[in-house]
Amino acid sequence: EAGVAQSPRYKIIEKRQSVAFWCNPISGHATLYWYQQILGQGPKLLIQFQNNGVVDDSQLPKDRFSAERLKGVDSTLKIQPAKLEDSAVYLCASSSYGTGGTGELFFGEGSRLTVL
Amino acid sequence: AQSVTQLDSHVSVSEGTPVLLRCNYSSSYSPSLFWYVQHPNKGLQLLLKYTSAATLVKGINGFEAEFKKSETSFHLTKPSAHMSDAAEYFCVGYVSGGYNKLIFGAGTRLAVHP
Repeated sequence: EAGVAQSPRYKIIEKRQSVAFWCNPISGHATLYWYQQILGQGPKLLIQFQNNGVVDDSQLPKDRFSAERLKGVDSTLKIQPAKLEDSAVYLCASSSYGTGGTGELFFGEGSRLTVL
Repeated sequence: AQSVTQLDSHVSVSEGTPVLLRCNYSSSYSPSLFWYVQHPNKGLQLLLKYTSAATLVKGINGFEAEFKKSETSFHLTKPSAHMSDAAEYFCVGYVSGGYNKLIFGAGTRLAVHP
């Protein structure tokens, strides 16, 4: 079974530039999450989708971050304009919550963003 | 308030000795709890899960955890540490009823010395 795919793995940009990350969840998983993990910290939930609807985006900085999950499958997270403090690993995860699963998350390898 | 608390931010053991990583939870419901491991520059990998079946849960790489309702604990153990076990470990759970809000513990960094 293919895992959660993320790209790019690494991205370096200047502050005020924009960046986009892509995630393809495990086939059939209805729930998709984006987490931000700053070095030395645990993951922080940015946004949770159930199919193509948003369940929780309370910690998403909406003035600069946006995310979409068109057609309820893959998802894109965008940052525009980026700030120095956005340097982090962006983790995508999916789960079968909502379709009878036991709710564990399956994570991608992450996308490491460095903002200079 | 519903919560997941990892009691140690750092644990250091010698290779071949037992590992104990502690996790307590607070919940008014029957929780679903998980342990994840994160090696450097990698995503999080599921070690094991408790979903109200057997209270002693066996996971990958020789790890196991015991759900103790009376102590509200879900500690992770391994009889003999290996150098490759050095990583960050996260206790994670649905403690608010259902699968609508996942809470992460702060993480425990495990160091294994020769």
